[in-house]
Amino acid sequence: AQSVAQPEDQVNVAEGNPLTVKCTYSVSGNPYLFWYVQYPNRGLQFLLKYITGDNLVKGSYGFEAEFNKSQTSFHLKKPSALVSDSALYFCAVRDRTTDSWGKLQFGAGTQVVVTP
Amino acid sequence: ETGVTQTPRHLVMGMTNKKSLKCEQHLGHNAMYWYKQSAKKPLELMFVYNFKEQTENNSVPSRFSPECPNSSHLFLHLHTLQPEDSALYLCASSRQGSYGYTFGSGTRLTVV
Repeated sequence: AQSVAQPEDQVNVAEGNPLTVKCTYSVSGNPYLFWYVQYPNRGLQFLLKYITGDNLVKGSYGFEAEFNKSQTSFHLKKPSALVSDSALYFCAVRDRTTDSWGKLQFGAGTQVVVTP
Repeated sequence: ETGVTQTPRHLVMGMTNKKSLKCEQHLGHNAMYWYKQSAKKPLELMFVYNFKEQTENNSVPSRFSPECPNSSHLFLHLHTLQPEDSALYLCASSRQGSYGYTFGSGTRLTVV
């Protein structure tokens, strides 16, 4: 079974400050990891993914995430947050070893609020 | 546009009405999904179709009836809904062996 935990319901940050959104995961095999972002009344948009290789993954809009196997974490980061980054962020995991169909398990989501 | 199109974008229906939500993708994907997203609740996976066959039904009430006539189209037929069914309904698609999902923009459903 696979699961994802996003321990913070909401993250508040001032514009220009670093932004971190936390995610930890559990899979029986090896993970594929994803971050999605959702703006109000819209679907989820893909931000970035970790498949293999370099543990630091760079994605859209200046976001990056670091895969840490020992801590089973995949935290999302941005060095300098913008007001337009205010949105709902979802972490997701897929067990590449056991699921050929690629069904994703999503976290509960973290609301990011960036204040001017 | 992501390549996954959902219609209508907004729907208001009475509890005795029958309506359908439509999802369409021409990305060559062969798996399609319905999710329910309610305020302040996690995404709820409702149905999964792989190659037009339903492979997952997560204890969804029978007032929700999915249909997948081909790999490009997915419907969610609605009848005698309850006010608590009001939510954003999201469709997604993926390809076997691929890495992630592509989502539509969703249908905002309000049951009155």
